Amino acid sequence: QKEVEQNSGPLSVPEGAIASLNCTYSDRVSQSFFWYRQYSGKSPELIMSIYSNGDKEDGRFTAQLNKASQYVSLLIRDSQPSDSATYLCAVNSVNTGNQFYFGTGTSLTVIP
Amino acid sequence: NAGVTQTPKFRILKIGQSMTLQCTQDMNHNYMYWYRQDPGMGLKLIYYSVGAGITDKGEVPNGYNVSRSTTEDFPLRLELAAPSQTSVYFCASSRTQETQYFGPGTRLLVL
Repeated sequence: QKEVEQNSGPLSVPEGAIASLNCTYSDRVSQSFFWYRQYSGKSPELIMSIYSNGDKEDGRFTAQLNKASQYVSLLIRDSQPSDSATYLCAVNSVNTGNQFYFGTGTSLTVIP
Repeated sequence: NAGVTQTPKFRILKIGQSMTLQCTQDMNHNYMYWYRQDPGMGLKLIYYSVGAGITDKGEVPNGYNVSRSTTEDFPLRLELAAPSQTSVYFCASSRTQETQYFGPGTRLLVL
């Protein structure tokens, strides 16, 4: 069983603040890491993917990967009320072939 | 492009009934996936396919079957529906083992 763990929250931040979402994974050979955003009643949509140790920035979003600690995070700068959603972490590795393992998600609320 | 489409949007089944959830993508993606999402939970992979004629089991395949006769279509069959299959079902497709595009989901209630 490949495990992907996330703090379920809810996480509340004021508008304009930085939201920090964390994810740990158990499969040491995991290679690909993804953050999806899911609005209530909607389907997940990809925000970020990261494959190498370090930071990857895209607009207000920064993904951080530390393979030694088996840890991936997502930072959302200048949080907006429209960022209020559940954020899902997903992991894939060559050992699991084409299977992706998802965490249970962290619920984020941005307070105006 | 319509992307990934799923039908029906919502369905109520009685215990023991069967049904097929339809999934179609128009992006010519080789990879297709079926997930289920229970309330407050993440996505669990049921079955996936890497191309027409090729399917494989995911984490939670029991009680389900799939087929992939064309690149576009990947139907999920539920035989002998059980209350434990009450869930939201998402179909997804991807060109590579990276960005997955999800359909809008099918909400299934088994009573």
